[in-house]
Amino acid sequence: DGGITQSPKYLFRKEGQNVTLSCEQNLNHDAMYWYRQDPGQGLRLIYYSQIVNDFQKGDIAEGYSVSREKKESFPLTVTSAQKNPTAFYLCASSIDRQTRGYTFGSGTRLTVV
Amino acid sequence: AQSVTQLGSHVSVSEGALVLLRCNYSSSVPPYLFWYVQYPNQGLQLLLKYTTGATLVKGINGFEAEFKKSETSFHLTKPSAHMSDAAEYFCAVSGVFTGTASKLTFGTGTRLQVTL
Repeated sequence: DGGITQSPKYLFRKEGQNVTLSCEQNLNHDAMYWYRQDPGQGLRLIYYSQIVNDFQKGDIAEGYSVSREKKESFPLTVTSAQKNPTAFYLCASSIDRQTRGYTFGSGTRLTVV
Repeated sequence: AQSVTQLGSHVSVSEGALVLLRCNYSSSVPPYLFWYVQYPNQGLQLLLKYTTGATLVKGINGFEAEFKKSETSFHLTKPSAHMSDAAEYFCAVSGVFTGTASKLTFGTGTRLQVTL
C-alpha cells in the first residue's frame, strides 16, 4: 500500500545535538511538507518542497534544515540552533496544488533530554 | 492570507448526541476547506473536504460539513456520537502556492470527548 513513512516514532536528543527525522513516501507525490505540532497551537509549517532539489521556508524555519535529493524522500534536520525542539513532527505530501489535501505520516515525537 | 479559527478547544458530548465542531475561516481567494482527525500519537487523516460545487459535504465515519460563504464557516457535524469519535479534529484552509505545492493553514484543533 502507498503511504508516508516517518521514522523513528520516538526520538530523544541531547541539548546541542543535531538530529535528522526521516520521511519517505511511495505515492509519487511531487510536493512534500514538514509541520510541527505543539499542544494548543495546531500545526505550523516548517518547510515544503515542490520538486526535487527545491525547497522553501515555511512559517517557522529557523533552526531547521531540509533536503530533497530524491522525489521519495524529504528528511528534516533539527539543528542545535532550534531553541525549543521538543514537539511532534509531521510529514505530509500532496499530489496537486489544492484539491486533494494532504496525506500525512504517523509522526515523530522529539524530546530534548 | 488565510486563517482558521476553531471555537472551543475541548468539546464533550454524550454517546448518541449530536456532534458540532465549529470552524470559521478567512481567505483572500475562494477557499478549499478540509477537516482532519487525529488520534493520539498518530498523523492526521482526512475526514472530508470542500473544493467546489455542493456546499454540503459528506465524509467518512458519518461526518459532514456545510460550507457557508456568507458566514465564512465550515462547521463539522455528526448526528450521533460514538465512543470511537473521541479524537482531535482540525479544520484547514488551502492557500495558493505556485507550482505543485499547496499550503494548508490549520486551526488550533478541537479535542472531542465522548462520554457514556
